[in-house]
Amino acid sequence: NAGVTQTPKFQVLKTGQSMTLQCAQDMNHNSMYWYRQDPGMGLRLIYYSASEGTTDKGEVPNGYNVSRLNKREFSLRLESAAPSQTSVYFCASSDRVLTSSSGNTIYFGEGSWLTVV
Amino acid sequence: RKEVEQDPGPFNVPEGATVAFNCTYSNSASQSFFWYRQDCRKEPKLLMSVYSSGNEDGRFTAQLNRASQYISLLIRDSKLSDSATYLCVVRDSGYSTLTFGKGTMLLVSP
Repeated sequence: NAGVTQTPKFQVLKTGQSMTLQCAQDMNHNSMYWYRQDPGMGLRLIYYSASEGTTDKGEVPNGYNVSRLNKREFSLRLESAAPSQTSVYFCASSDRVLTSSSGNTIYFGEGSWLTVV
Repeated sequence: RKEVEQDPGPFNVPEGATVAFNCTYSNSASQSFFWYRQDCRKEPKLLMSVYSSGNEDGRFTAQLNRASQYISLLIRDSKLSDSATYLCVVRDSGYSTLTFGKGTMLLVSP
């Protein structure tokens, strides 16, 4: 029962390099999210996709781009990595937009540990 | 920025103890409330939703006070396996996203 799968699990980048974090869910969910988690900061939303074909900025979108490739996949791209982007990144999904009364459970992937040196 | 505030802890308690976590939120229009649990180096997982009338799930009891914009989580008869970080989570009206508190760490010792 895979749920939300994200790759890679660990990555070290040099400043200025680019990379893409991949995320896929097999629960037929409509909405997908990318969060970052830093010590003392909690989880912060980077971008989300309420449904296939749409993406919206979250709280901390600068330095990132996203692509909702299809209903299953939602990727996060760092075009020019900076040390400030060292973090743990979590992809997540929910069955419908969280504004609906029943769309209240969000499922997370296992996380991607990214270090930018 | 909408805020969800929690005591970071850590709370160190012996097995069998009762422990309570508190959380306050800044947006009076917030609609839904949850507690998530996050183990060390793992992803957050939903522990329980919080309903206006209060709700219980085994040893866990959640309470909501809308007037004071306050949420609580009570854990009775603590187990070693309860050691984790507990995240208070709020969904605001009209927003398709969740706001997470920074979490409260619980350490249960033998």
